[in-house]
Amino acid sequence: SAVISQKPSRDICQRGTSLTIQCQVDSQVTMMFWYRQQPGQSLTLIATANQGSEATYESGFVIDKFPISRPNLTFSTLTVSNMSPEDSSIYLCSAPGGGGIIGGYTFGSGTRLTVV
Amino acid sequence: TQLLEQSPQFLSIQEGENLTVYCNSSSVFSSLQWYRQEPGEGPVLLVTVVTGGEVKKLKRLTFQFGDARKDSSLHITAAQPGDTGLYLCAGLTNSNSGYALNFGKGTSLLVTP
Repeated sequence: SAVISQKPSRDICQRGTSLTIQCQVDSQVTMMFWYRQQPGQSLTLIATANQGSEATYESGFVIDKFPISRPNLTFSTLTVSNMSPEDSSIYLCSAPGGGGIIGGYTFGSGTRLTVV
Repeated sequence: TQLLEQSPQFLSIQEGENLTVYCNSSSVFSSLQWYRQEPGEGPVLLVTVVTGGEVKKLKRLTFQFGDARKDSSLHITAAQPGDTGLYLCAGLTNSNSGYALNFGKGTSLLVTP
């Protein structure tokens, strides 16, 4: 199945600054997904990044706050802009794992963001 | 959005005990997936159930998909400390942006020696 490398694994940032999270997949994937997760809780979908088109965002998430790039079929970035303490969370990227629906989805190891 | 209700939310048991985690929805899913997540890692797929009534076994883990494809369960026999983690059920949903996973709230399992 696909393997995703995500970085940074964690960061502590000042409020008002921005952080860009990168995900590299070891195979070409059409769709990549970005999630947010509070520690020990479930995952909430932020947006889907499709190569060659703008990302599409779920309700409650906007492009100005979470701009996404998808320059090719193996890479995507998520930027958390103008950060506030409420943005402190774990951010994960995901992609189809290969093997169709049975293969499920594979995830990066997450970026633990703390905004101070 | 199709909601997945997962229970219990927290479970603390001793090594050797059995447990069952439930995942329920009022909506029909074409398939459901179960993931396990450890601290500092992303979720890892355990199994995908596709057919109503399907039962799949993965060593000491047994997964069942309801006949109506609205619910699923995960049963662990003789739990071990290595089973500790966050268990998540997830179904595909046609979100704003295509097919993405919709997750239940998760069950945090702690198995003590």
